[in-house]
Parts: sequence; C-alpha cells; structure tokens
Amino acid sequence: AQSVTQLDSHVSVSEGTPVLLRCNYSSSYSPSLFWYVQHPNKGLQLLLKYTSAATLVKGINGFEAEFKKSETSFHLTKPSAHMSDAAEYFCVVTRLWFGNEKLTFGTGTRLTIIP
Amino acid sequence: EPEVTQTPSHQVTQMGQEVILRCVPISNHLYFYWYRQILGQKVEFLVSFYNNEISEKSEIFDDQFSVERPDGSNFTLKIRSTKLEDSAMYFCASRTRGTDTQYFGPGTRLTVL
Repeated sequence: AQSVTQLDSHVSVSEGTPVLLRCNYSSSYSPSLFWYVQHPNKGLQLLLKYTSAATLVKGINGFEAEFKKSETSFHLTKPSAHMSDAAEYFCVVTRLWFGNEKLTFGTGTRLTIIP
Repeated sequence: EPEVTQTPSHQVTQMGQEVILRCVPISNHLYFYWYRQILGQKVEFLVSFYNNEISEKSEIFDDQFSVERPDGSNFTLKIRSTKLEDSAMYFCASRTRGTDTQYFGPGTRLTVL
C-alpha cells in the first residue's frame, strides 16, 4: 500500500521569495516519487521524479526536490518564485520498477504568487 | 515534443446517457491509463491497460465503465449510463516500456446533468 500526504492545501509566497511545498509519503515498497503541476484549465505536467538514483532531483523551471528516506519526505522547493509558478502541485507515489503500477496522488497544494 | 491528446475537452450529457471519452496516447507508448478528478478532490486512478487487456482497475471502475483500444492510436473510456457523480475531469495517461513516468493529456471535463 502507498499514500502521500501534502501538508499544505494552499501556499502563498511573494514573487522572488523561496517556495517550499511539503510532501510525506508512505509505501510498503521502494517508491518512485513525482511532482506534477497543473496550471488552470491545463493538464498534468511532470515537474520532476525520483527513482532511487540521486536523492536531490532537479526538474523543470528551477524546481527541485530532495528525497529523505529517514523522514519519508519529498519536499518541492524553488529558490525564487515567479508569477508563472501559480498552479496546483501534486505529489505522487508509485512502486519502483513494478511494471504497470498505478500512480497515487496527494490532495494537491495550490500555490499563489503575490506580486 | 509528442503529447497525449484528448477529445472532447468538455462534454455535457444527460444522466443515463452513454459517453465515450477519447485519447490518443504518445505513439510508441504501450501502457495506458485513465484517472479522474472530481472537482475539489484529488486525482484518482481508474484503470490501466496493456496488451489489449485491463491490467488493474479501481473500485470506481465498475460495470458501467469500459475501455478499448479500437485501433493502433486511440484509447477510449466508455461510461454506459452516466450518473451525476460521474461529473469530473478525466485524464488519460500513457507510458513507454522501461520507465514508470506517465504522461498525461489535458483532460476531458464531463458534466452530467
């Protein structure tokens, strides 16, 4: 069994300040972890993924996430927020290298950027 | 860059009617999925499909739902008799062999009246 908990349903930051979106996971197996972003009226876009290689993962648009097994966390960060980062962000877990495994989504964090 | 496409973008239907949601996965992908997102809720897995058969389905995917790959490019989700609670955004996803990264389409918003 696997699940993710996104600790904040809504985060607001000022443009140019750091972004931190928190995610904790639970998995009976070695996990693959992802962050997806959903802009208004758009589909789900992959930001980055962790699959047991480097624990610090870099993604698109300056985002990165660090896998911490001891804390079962996979928080998403960005040093400086941009207005275009305003969107819904989903932390997602699946079973590592298990073939046709479904994705399990968190409830999402809505990121608002204050000008 | 190849993308997953979905049609229509928005479908409005009457309760009890049949709907077919269409998806064109990325061309060399072999594994296909449907997810849905009820307004204000999280994205939920419905079904996975590989080699012309269902690999896994969730409790949501009851006898009213079916999936098909009618030709080499399309992947469809059919709801035989829609209910009000089927109103949601439906996402199609696909993936190739050797990776667990799924690529999502833009979604079809289904509204059941």
